[in-house]
Amino acid sequence: EPEVTQTPSHQVTQMGQEVILRCVPISNHLYFYWYRQILGQKVEFLVSFYNNEISEKSEIFDDQFSVERPDGSNFTLKIRSTKLEDSAMYFCASSDQAGANVLTFGAGSRLTVL
Amino acid sequence: DQQVKQNSPSLSVQEGRISILNCDYTNSMFDYFLWYKKYPAEGPTFLISISSIKDKNEDGRFTVFLNKSAKHLSLHIVPSQPGDSAVYFCAASPNYGGSQGNLIFGKGTKLSVKP
Repeated sequence: EPEVTQTPSHQVTQMGQEVILRCVPISNHLYFYWYRQILGQKVEFLVSFYNNEISEKSEIFDDQFSVERPDGSNFTLKIRSTKLEDSAMYFCASSDQAGANVLTFGAGSRLTVL
Repeated sequence: DQQVKQNSPSLSVQEGRISILNCDYTNSMFDYFLWYKKYPAEGPTFLISISSIKDKNEDGRFTVFLNKSAKHLSLHIVPSQPGDSAVYFCAASPNYGGSQGNLIFGKGTKLSVKP
């Protein structure tokens, strides 16, 4: 069964460092997303991406965050200067339709900022 | 600001019995609701969904009920199996212009099904 893969599974970084989380969405999907879950809290939407541009973003997704689809398969989330409060599990997801269509999530990348 | 609320953080059920997971929402602009299941060290996995024009959707052992007037939905699992033990997230999709997969999740309910 097709799946969304994410790397790394766990990354530890120092505050202020740049981090790039990588995702390979399902190959025929056109819509890509990043969500995050801070420990003990709910899963929160960060950003959606379609046709090589951001289609929607939340208040969390400030100037420290950026997304990119550098080639035909990868979808990345970059955090420019990490803060302690960026520590969370980051989930990539993809779907083949917009809106309420079912999202397929990856297993997540755990980011720990020290 | 919890637009989607799952007030029970955990639920324990005996194998073979019914599991009922509840979810409340506050925003009348939500028009599509989903349940996701999550095992440890995995991402959320889609389980079942319902459109706001329906009040029930069934898929095998899983049934979702929607009460729009009460802004409440529930997931019924019958019969419950030990493999159903996981965290269940209720999610809602808003119906306003430009929404593109912005699912709003509840905090989840951890279901434990005991043999």
